[in-house]
Amino acid sequence: DTAVSQTPKYLVTQMGNDKSIKCEQNLGHDTMYWYKQDSKKFLKIMFSYNNKELIINETVPNRFSPKSPDKAHLNLHINSLELGDSAVYFCASSQGGTGSFGQGTRLTVV
Amino acid sequence: KQEVTQIPAALSVPEGENLVLNCSFTDSAIYNLQWFRQDPGKGLTSLLLIQSSQREQTSGRLNASLDKSSGRSTLYIAASQPGDSATYLCAVSQPQKLVFGQGTRLTINP
Repeated sequence: DTAVSQTPKYLVTQMGNDKSIKCEQNLGHDTMYWYKQDSKKFLKIMFSYNNKELIINETVPNRFSPKSPDKAHLNLHINSLELGDSAVYFCASSQGGTGSFGQGTRLTVV
Repeated sequence: KQEVTQIPAALSVPEGENLVLNCSFTDSAIYNLQWFRQDPGKGLTSLLLIQSSQREQTSGRLNASLDKSSGRSTLYIAASQPGDSATYLCAVSQPQKLVFGQGTRLTINP
């Protein structure tokens, strides 16, 4: 069974479109995250949720809106996509500081 | 603000050699430190987790050490194999987030 699963794996879209990435974890973890990995492979946190509540928003543009319907899900909606949004987005969950990551969603904005 | 640095950025060694990857962090107030492996186009796989109270952890050919007071960790890989080729990331755990280094891209030549 996949611990942290995110869909889709690949997403190609035009500038200005709105898109969503879904994430689910079956580990029973309280905390979920979204990370962005840029072209230089640097991973940087975007959001952190604990028990459905937003804990961290690391200066992410408000075009990015996370939604956590329950503790096991953290979806990411992106409005008005820009070229600079092209990256790999990773969902993760943790309990006690141990992180488990999804396989990533490669977003390409054209 | 926590900053994590990994040296070297890239490393290429012949098969069979022992090697050390380095990770340093600026703020010693961490919960734990985690080493991950990332294969090209793939997600992150957790290799070792060292709690802040621990000095080292071992798993097979991998040994990770932690010196919290000096802000350093090392990942030692014994008897390297071509299958060890990947990017290795260290991450320190702080409240509600993991802060990552830039990674070391390791190539093991047969």
